[in-house]
Amino acid sequence: EVQLVESGGGLIQPGGSLRLSCAASGFTVSSNYMSWVRQAPGKGLEWVSVIYSTGNTYYADSVKGRFAISRDNSKNTLYLQMNSLRAEDTAVYYCARGTVYFFDYWGQGTLVTVSS
Amino acid sequence: QSVLTQPPSVSGAPGQRVTISCTGSSSNIGAGYDVHWYQQLPGTAPKLLIYDNNNRPSGVPDRFSGSKSGTSASLAITGLQAEDEADYYCQSYDSGLSAYYVFGTGTKVTVL
Repeated sequence: EVQLVESGGGLIQPGGSLRLSCAASGFTVSSNYMSWVRQAPGKGLEWVSVIYSTGNTYYADSVKGRFAISRDNSKNTLYLQMNSLRAEDTAVYYCARGTVYFFDYWGQGTLVTVSS
Repeated sequence: QSVLTQPPSVSGAPGQRVTISCTGSSSNIGAGYDVHWYQQLPGTAPKLLIYDNNNRPSGVPDRFSGSKSGTSASLAITGLQAEDEADYYCQSYDSGLSAYYVFGTGTKVTVL
C-alpha cells in the first residue's frame, strides 16, 4: 500500500528556515516523480516543486531560489528545504507521488505558519 | 496563482447531475495536455478522481466522468450523493510558464 507521511511543519518567523520531510512506503521514491504542493488557508492548490526520477528538479517562480527539493534514497524520504520564509508561504504542504503530468497519491499534509 | 478557471460553486439535489467546467489556454489544455481532477473532502488531502481526461483510478465510482474539448474540460457527477460534497480541482501541465503543473481555482460542490 502506498503511503506518504509528511512532518516538519510548525510556526516560524519571517526570514526563517524549515525543512519538511515526507516518508514514503509501498514504493520507491527515487523511481518516481515526487512533488510538493501547498494550500494556503481557505485557498486553492499551488504546485511548489518536483524532483524527477533522473534527479532533475524544478520550482514554481514563487519559491525559486528560496526552496530546495531533495531525496534520501536510503531512507526513501523526500525533503523540502525552505529558506527566507515569508508570510505568503503559510500553507499546508502536501507531498505527492506522480507521473510527468499528474499526482496519483498524496500525503496528509503538514502545516507551515510564517508569522512573528 | 491559478491558471485554470472553474466556477466557485455548484449545487444539486441528491440524484441529480452536476457539471464543473475548467477553462485553460493555449499553453496548457489547448496545447493538448491532458486534464486531471481531484476531490478534496473537508479537512482531508486531495485525492485523484479522474486522470488523462476521462479515466478513473481503481475504486472511483463510475458516477464521475470527465471530458475535454479545445481549451476546456469538464467533470460530471451523476446520481449526486451526500458524500460527494467536497471541493474539486482540475489540473493540467503548462508549457508556457515555469509552473509546470497548474491547478484550477477550485469548485465547491454542495448537495442540497
